Amino acid sequence: QITLKESGPTLVKPTQTLTLTCTFSGFSLRTNGVGVGWIRQPPEKALEWLALIYWNDDKRYSPSLKSRFTITKDTSKNQVVLTMINMDPVDTATYYCAHSMSTGGSRYFDLWGRGTLVTVSS
Amino acid sequence: SYELTQPPSVSVSPGQTASITCSGDKLGDKYACWYQQKPGQSPVLVIFQDTKRPSGIPERFSGSNSGNTATLTISGTQAMDEADYYCQAWDSNTVIFGGGTKLTVL
Repeated sequence: QITLKESGPTLVKPTQTLTLTCTFSGFSLRTNGVGVGWIRQPPEKALEWLALIYWNDDKRYSPSLKSRFTITKDTSKNQVVLTMINMDPVDTATYYCAHSMSTGGSRYFDLWGRGTLVTVSS
Repeated sequence: SYELTQPPSVSVSPGQTASITCSGDKLGDKYACWYQQKPGQSPVLVIFQDTKRPSGIPERFSGSNSGNTATLTISGTQAMDEADYYCQAWDSNTVIFGGGTKLTVL
């Protein structure tokens, strides 16, 4: 059974750096084709993809946010970490991590964590 | 950058068929997938690789993708299907989400 859980601060101040951790079980990030992604959702708004890390340590970022994000993995701990610099109130959102699979050229998120709400406010 | 466009809302009567569209340039040349999100819950994958249903997703959910439009179809819509639905595609090594469609069953 695959599970993912996001953890990190619930409140950060503007200009601070946010570090979120996704701790997962039921799969290995050493398995060919597997990835873990981060997606966020501001209150009452749409999903927004942020970053994705693959089993081979390849990384992909949203072009519009790329300069602010870093995604890393610790395979031994079954964790993926997202770091976001220079936080702003518009970054207030629920942040999800999700297990990603690739099938026949498609990539999708088949299992999601429960999400963690991060509020950016002074 | 690539964009996916969905109607903000769709309404359907119980038992009828709901169709939710997702439009993007030559979307049919890519693979689309769909997520269902109920209030206060995480998204759930309901269709992947255009037409495939994950284990546990009812047969009334189906998908298609051709030309510039992917479509999620819910046959015999039930009250429990009321939710937000998001399409997603994979383009140039990036993930793109549509803006979401609120499905109302009334």
